[in-house]
Amino acid sequence: DGGITQSPKYLFRKEGQNVTLSCEQNLNHDAMYWYRQDPGQGLRLIYYSQIVNDFQKGDIAEGYSVSREKKESFPLTVTSAQKNPTAFYLCASWGAVRSGANVLTFGAGSRLTVL
Amino acid sequence: GEDVEQSLFLSVREGDSSVINCTYTDSSSTYLYWYKQEPGAGLQLLTYIFSNMDMKQDQRLTVLLNKKDKHLSLRIADTQTGDSAIYFCAESRGSNFNKFYFGSGTKLNVKP
Repeated sequence: DGGITQSPKYLFRKEGQNVTLSCEQNLNHDAMYWYRQDPGQGLRLIYYSQIVNDFQKGDIAEGYSVSREKKESFPLTVTSAQKNPTAFYLCASWGAVRSGANVLTFGAGSRLTVL
Repeated sequence: GEDVEQSLFLSVREGDSSVINCTYTDSSSTYLYWYKQEPGAGLQLLTYIFSNMDMKQDQRLTVLLNKKDKHLSLRIADTQTGDSAIYFCAESRGSNFNKFYFGSGTKLNVKP
């Protein structure tokens, strides 16, 4: 079955380090997204990409960077410039699913903790 | 505004019906979604409805859409303890419906 794979599931980082979260999809979707979720809160958009080699900032892009060199992959780097990086990060892709409708499909998430 | 709004908590007894409410903002054509999130997991799509529909039913789930009031609801019949989770309402906007706005989530607690 097609889906989205995020890794690692848990990640610990020391202050001042950059870390990269992986997101891979085999749904053949063009558009991919990164969201941040803090406890008791909804989702906030970090970056999105509508097509390979193109991406746009979301609402909270500061301190993050992305790349989209392949359709299947949309890695997110949390840089040392991100002041409060401890959060749950969710990757998603948008496109047709089995029913034929276009929907947003999520990965299982990556929890980043800064020590 | 851009806000999609939901109440934060709902508590029901096992076997009762649950109704989770959401208000959205876009008055043009749009897709509206309900997602379920269990602790430590990603969001799982439960159902969706296009804004030209009034109702959609899928097994225990019924979605009702009131376009005039921009109000969306999710009814879960015969609620089970396994339905305890956070439920997110989302609205898609933009010319390709590929920009999404989420509510803050409603935490459903099902008591045995």
